[in-house]
Amino acid sequence: EAGVAQSPRYKIIEKRQSVAFWCNPISGHATLYWYQQILGQGPKLLIQFQNNGVVDDSQLPKDRFSAERLKGVDSTLKIQPAKLEDSAVYLCASSSSGVRRLYNEQFFGPGTRLTVL
Amino acid sequence: SQQGEEDPQALSIQEGENATMNCSYKTSINNLQWYRQNSGRGLVHLILIRSNEREKHSGRLRVTLDTSKKSSSLLITASRAADTASYFCATDRGSTLGRLYFGRGTQLTVWP
Repeated sequence: EAGVAQSPRYKIIEKRQSVAFWCNPISGHATLYWYQQILGQGPKLLIQFQNNGVVDDSQLPKDRFSAERLKGVDSTLKIQPAKLEDSAVYLCASSSSGVRRLYNEQFFGPGTRLTVL
Repeated sequence: SQQGEEDPQALSIQEGENATMNCSYKTSINNLQWYRQNSGRGLVHLILIRSNEREKHSGRLRVTLDTSKKSSSLLITASRAADTASYFCATDRGSTLGRLYFGRGTQLTVWP
């Protein structure tokens, strides 16, 4: 089966500019996650979708970050305006497990490396 | 905050040696998972161990879980240069929502 697709792979912007990332999960996966991974750290969850509804966005900086999952398939994550500390890799993952399943293997995309100058 | 704390932060070994990485956590869990990340790539799921399991094997991987000590270990036997990567443990902190909390990872380097 095809894996999780993300684009672009790399993005360089100046602070205060806007940027958007796109994710296409594995076909049929109901759950989609966006993670932020700062260099030298593990991934940190930003937002979790179940179909097209938000399950958890408690760690999403909502003053500048937004995300949507139209029709419960593709998803976009936007940053507006970007700050220097947003420089990181943004990873998208998907899972076939329902939101209440306990044993949840996640499949990750290759990520988008964002550099904010 | 990071849930898992991997130890060591970095590990360097020769091909053929075994590599052991440890992970500690602070809350109750339903399961603990290990992932691998090659440089510049996404994470790849390696193995999941449930809270009622004590040991699990997958190929050259062996994972143990001690819930009384809130710790886990990942053993890679007969390591290869291709095993060079960062290894992360992740837990669910007892949640049923499916989200995972990752540690900072162990950077493993296997020299040919």
